[in-house]
Amino acid sequence: GQNIDQPTEMTATEGAIVQINCTYQTSGFNGLFWYQQHAGEAPTFLSYNVLDGLEEKGRFSSFLSRSKGYSYLLLKELQMKDSASYLCAVRDSNYQLIWGAGTKLIIKP
Amino acid sequence: IAGITQAPTSQILAAGRRMTLRCTQDMRHNAMYWYRQDLGLGLRLIHYSNTAGTTGKGEVPDGYSVSRANTDDFPLTLASAVPSQTSVYFCASSEGGGGNNEQFFGPGTRLTVL
Repeated sequence: GQNIDQPTEMTATEGAIVQINCTYQTSGFNGLFWYQQHAGEAPTFLSYNVLDGLEEKGRFSSFLSRSKGYSYLLLKELQMKDSASYLCAVRDSNYQLIWGAGTKLIIKP
Repeated sequence: IAGITQAPTSQILAAGRRMTLRCTQDMRHNAMYWYRQDLGLGLRLIHYSNTAGTTGKGEVPDGYSVSRANTDDFPLTLASAVPSQTSVYFCASSEGGGGNNEQFFGPGTRLTVL
């Protein structure tokens, strides 16, 4: 079967750095996405990785290791507005997205 | 620019009733998707459409049907609702199905089946 694993919940302090991990086992791999979802709202796109390595976009970076079936999302200089769920999704061999259950990130002052 | 709209925002429905959730996008995207999101689970694909006139089944299609008569609209129909279909339903669209084409999501429909 296909599986995406993420921690259920993480807590971090405003101004700090947090790393949210995602491991996956899917039938094929055609890219990995990270989305942000605030409570009661729709998911919004954060990043896309298809090759190994780090993609940086402002305060957010995403890393991929295809050989290890592993990705992480790094959030720097945390702000209260970063409190949200972060969803990892892998595009499989059928070009459909397989989604993790999401990591709820709680930011404390 | 509206992006993707969904209607209704929320609905309470008696079991056995028929219900259509509406989804419209104005981005001229080729691909559209319907997901359901349940607590503790990832988004699960119900049905998708890679282009107008075609549809396909996702991970959890039973009890649901879709149509794609044109590029903009992708309605989801529950023929005879059951309580297990209580969920938040998201419609999404993307320019294409591959590459770095991100999916854009509508605001969601919160459906309760009693």
